[in-house]
Amino acid sequence: EPEVTQTPSHQVTQMGQEVILRCVPISNHLYFYWYRQILGQKVEFLVSFYNNEISEKSEIFDDQFSVERPDGSNFTLKIRSTKLEDSAMYFCASIQGYNEQFFGPGTRLTVL
Amino acid sequence: GQQVMQIPQYQHVQEGEDFTTYCNSSTTLSNIQWYKQRPGGHPVFLIQLVKSGEVKKQKRLTFQFGEAKKNSSLHITATQTTDVGTYFCAGRGGSYIPTFGRGTSLIVHP
Repeated sequence: EPEVTQTPSHQVTQMGQEVILRCVPISNHLYFYWYRQILGQKVEFLVSFYNNEISEKSEIFDDQFSVERPDGSNFTLKIRSTKLEDSAMYFCASIQGYNEQFFGPGTRLTVL
Repeated sequence: GQQVMQIPQYQHVQEGEDFTTYCNSSTTLSNIQWYKQRPGGHPVFLIQLVKSGEVKKQKRLTFQFGEAKKNSSLHITATQTTDVGTYFCAGRGGSYIPTFGRGTSLIVHP
């Protein structure tokens, strides 16, 4: 069964450092998403990506965040200068159409 | 903006008891999805409801979508320890972006 994969599973970084979280969506899917989930809280939408550009983004997705699909398979989330409050689980998800989202296993980001 | 409220936040039940979680949206939804997240895991899609008043069943799970398409519920009959996890609803308005509820964490005591 096809699945969304994410690397790394855990990233520890110092405050102010840049991090790149990587995702490989399901190959025939068209829409890609990043979510974050602070420990014990709900899943929060960050950004959606379609046709090689951002289609929607939330208030959380400020200038410190960017997304790319550099090579047609990987989908990356970059945080330029991490803050303590960026510590969370980051989930990538992909979708073929107007149906279920398939979530990856997540990357746990810890900012020290 | 669209808000989705989900209650209760936590629910403790004895194995064999029933469980229900409720979602209410501030706006009319085009559809609502339900996900289950096991402890330490990622959200896994359970079902999508689209039609007003729709009811769907998956074994012991019953999902309902309100007539006004602003509320939904998930009911589990005779809970088992394998049902443990957090159940999230996610409502969509006019866009592809779902708004997730806070989730209801189900704890089943054997």
